[in-house]
Amino acid sequence: KAGVTQTPRYLIKTRGQQVTLSCSPISGHRSVSWYQQTPGQGLQFLFEYFSETQRNKGNFPGRFSGRQFSNSRSEMNVSTLELGDSALYLCASRTGQSNEKLFFGSGTQLSVL
Amino acid sequence: QKEVEQNSGPLSVPEGAIASLNCTYSDRVSQSFFWYRQYSGKSPELIMSIYSNGDKEDGRFTAQLNKASQYVSLLIRDSQPSDSATYLCAVKAGANNLFFGTGTRLTVIP
Repeated sequence: KAGVTQTPRYLIKTRGQQVTLSCSPISGHRSVSWYQQTPGQGLQFLFEYFSETQRNKGNFPGRFSGRQFSNSRSEMNVSTLELGDSALYLCASRTGQSNEKLFFGSGTQLSVL
Repeated sequence: QKEVEQNSGPLSVPEGAIASLNCTYSDRVSQSFFWYRQYSGKSPELIMSIYSNGDKEDGRFTAQLNKASQYVSLLIRDSQPSDSATYLCAVKAGANNLFFGTGTRLTVIP
C-alpha cells in the first residue's frame, strides 16, 4: 500500500505570492490533517478534513485554507505569503476520526524569500 | 503556556544506556498520549501510544503516564545509534486535535 504522498517536495516563493500544496492519503483513509513544522514552534496543527468537511481548525490566520476532494485527496492553500510562512508542511492521514494513529507524508518544504 | 512541553535537548547517551525523554502537558482532560520519532529530514512516525496511568512496554521502549502530575515519559533501553532522532510527544485534547511538543533531539554515541 502506498504511503501518504505530498507534492511538491520543495517550493520557493516570494512574499505576497500564493501557494497550493497537495496531499494524497493512504488508500482507504478518509481523514487528512495538515501541520506546519518549524524549528522554534515544532509541529502546529492547521486543520483536519474528513469526508470533504473541515472538522477541526488550528490557530492560524485566514490566509491558510484547505479543502478535500471526494477521493480524499487534500490541498492546502496559503495566500499573500509572508517570510514567517517558511516551514515544512506535513500532511497526515488516518482511517477515520475514531482512529488516532496518524501516518505522515514526507512534507513540502516551503521557502518564502 | 504551551499545551505540550518537552526539553529540546540535545540529549546524549552512550550506546547501551537508557535514554529518558520527558513531556508535560497542560490540559487535565487529555486522554490519549503518543510518542513519535522523527529522523532528520524524514516525517514523524508513531512508536508508542498510552492511554492509562502506569507503564506500557513495547520491545526496548517503555512509555510511562502519570495523569495526576500531567507527565508522560519515554524510556529507551539498550540505546542504539539508530535510535538517534528527534522524539515528539503528542497529546490529544478536545474533540480530535493532536498537540505536539517541540521535540527532544536524542543522540546515541557509539
